[in-house]
Amino acid sequence: AQKITQTQPGMFVQEKEAVTLDCTYDTSDQSYGLFWYKQPSSGEMIFLIYQGSYDEQNATEGRYSLNFQKARKSANLVISASQLGDSAMYFCAMREGRNGGNNRKLIWGLGTSLAVNP
Amino acid sequence: DTGVSQNPRHKITKRGQNVTFRCDPISEHNRLYWYRQTLGQGPEFLTYFQNEAQLEKSRLLSDRFSAERPKGSFSTLEIQRTEQGDSAMYLCASSFRREVAGELFFGEGSRLTVL
Repeated sequence: AQKITQTQPGMFVQEKEAVTLDCTYDTSDQSYGLFWYKQPSSGEMIFLIYQGSYDEQNATEGRYSLNFQKARKSANLVISASQLGDSAMYFCAMREGRNGGNNRKLIWGLGTSLAVNP
Repeated sequence: DTGVSQNPRHKITKRGQNVTFRCDPISEHNRLYWYRQTLGQGPEFLTYFQNEAQLEKSRLLSDRFSAERPKGSFSTLEIQRTEQGDSAMYLCASSFRREVAGELFFGEGSRLTVL
C-alpha cells in the first residue's frame, strides 16, 4: 500500500540556518510524483516543490530544495536561510501515476511542525 | 483574488443538521478535489471532479456526503445529518490537467464543528 512517513512531529531551527525535514515513501509504482506543502496557521495548503520519479535532478525552488534519494525512497525537504515566516506545518505527499498524468489524489504524511526561532 | 475560494470559513452546527460548503476553484482549472483534514493528521482524499464529472469517490464519503459540480465551475459539498465525527477542516483544491507537476492549489478550508 502507498504510504508517506514523516518521522519528525516537530522541529526547531534558528533563523537564517538551514533545516531538513524528512520524508520517506512506499510505493510499488515506478512512476510517481512527490510534493511538499506548507500549511500555516491560517489553514491554507501552499505548494512548495515537486519531484517526479523520473527526474534526474533534485528539484529546487528558491530557498527550497528536495533531496531525492530514489533507492532509499526518501524525499527530504531542505529549507535554506530559514525565516520567521517559515514557521508552519509541512506535509509531504505522493501521487501515483505518470508525471503530469491523471492527478486524482495525493497520499499525505502526518506532517512536521517547524518553529523558526529568532 | 484569483485563488481557490471556500465558504463559509467556519461552521458550527448541532448534530443531525445538514451543512453545505461551497468551493470556487481557479477559473481555468478543470479539476477539483475535496479533502478532509482532522487535527494532527494530513488531508484525506474525499472526491475528485474533472469538469462536471465526479470521477472518483473515497470510501470515506458515506451516503450522508454528496458533492456536486453542476457546471464544471464551483462545487458544493453537503453533509446530511451531521455527526460529531464529521468535525474537521474541509479543504478544496483545484488543478489544471496540462501542468507538468499537476500541483494542487488549495483554498483556506471550511472548518466544521458539530456539537
